[in-house]
Amino acid sequence: GAVVSQHPSWVICKSGTSVKIECRSLDFQATTMFWYRQFPKQSLMLMATSNEGSKATYEQGVEKDKFLINHASLTLSTLTVTSAHPEDSSFYICSARDRGLAGGLIYEQFFGPGTRLTVL
Amino acid sequence: DQQVKQNSPSLSVQEGRISILNCDYTNSMFDYFLWYKKYPAEGPTFLISISSIKDKNEDGRFTVFLNKSAKHLSLHIVPSQPGDSAVYFCAVYTGNQFYFGTGTSLTVIP
Repeated sequence: GAVVSQHPSWVICKSGTSVKIECRSLDFQATTMFWYRQFPKQSLMLMATSNEGSKATYEQGVEKDKFLINHASLTLSTLTVTSAHPEDSSFYICSARDRGLAGGLIYEQFFGPGTRLTVL
Repeated sequence: DQQVKQNSPSLSVQEGRISILNCDYTNSMFDYFLWYKKYPAEGPTFLISISSIKDKNEDGRFTVFLNKSAKHLSLHIVPSQPGDSAVYFCAVYTGNQFYFGTGTSLTVIP
């Protein structure tokens, strides 16, 4: 099946620093990637949708200047948490939609393993 | 505001018995429902889905039931196996995005 990787899997940083999380589709091209955040005992919440070569679309309440998303190629999207603070500590998961399945099954969205961010 | 709710954070079932995971949603206009399974340190993987025009969909040991009048969705696993132990998320797909529940951690006891 399609594989999506995330790097790093776990990161600890000091308050005020920036952290970059990478999401890669390893064996398919993804025109669309999604970024989710999950707090403990809460559901996955969509943060933004990123389309290759264009600006990301952010969900209401998500600060676009704080969570910078770049989808520079069909296999890579990055999420940069700028000036991270302890309240940004969370589990971040990306998912990708296979370009070859565009217009096909809507659940064909493959998830990465997630990145645990801890801000001290 | 939580669009999709899974009120049971955990469930334990004996191997071979039935596991029933429940999910409630708020919007009667939702039209596509999915279940995802997640192992630790891995991303969710698609399990089974159902559209609002059906009330049941079966795939091997997994059956999803949809009760539109009650806005309730359930996943039945029969027979349950130890390898089914994981966190199960229900989700709805609408308006080109997914809304996920909080997940139910299933433990199947050998």
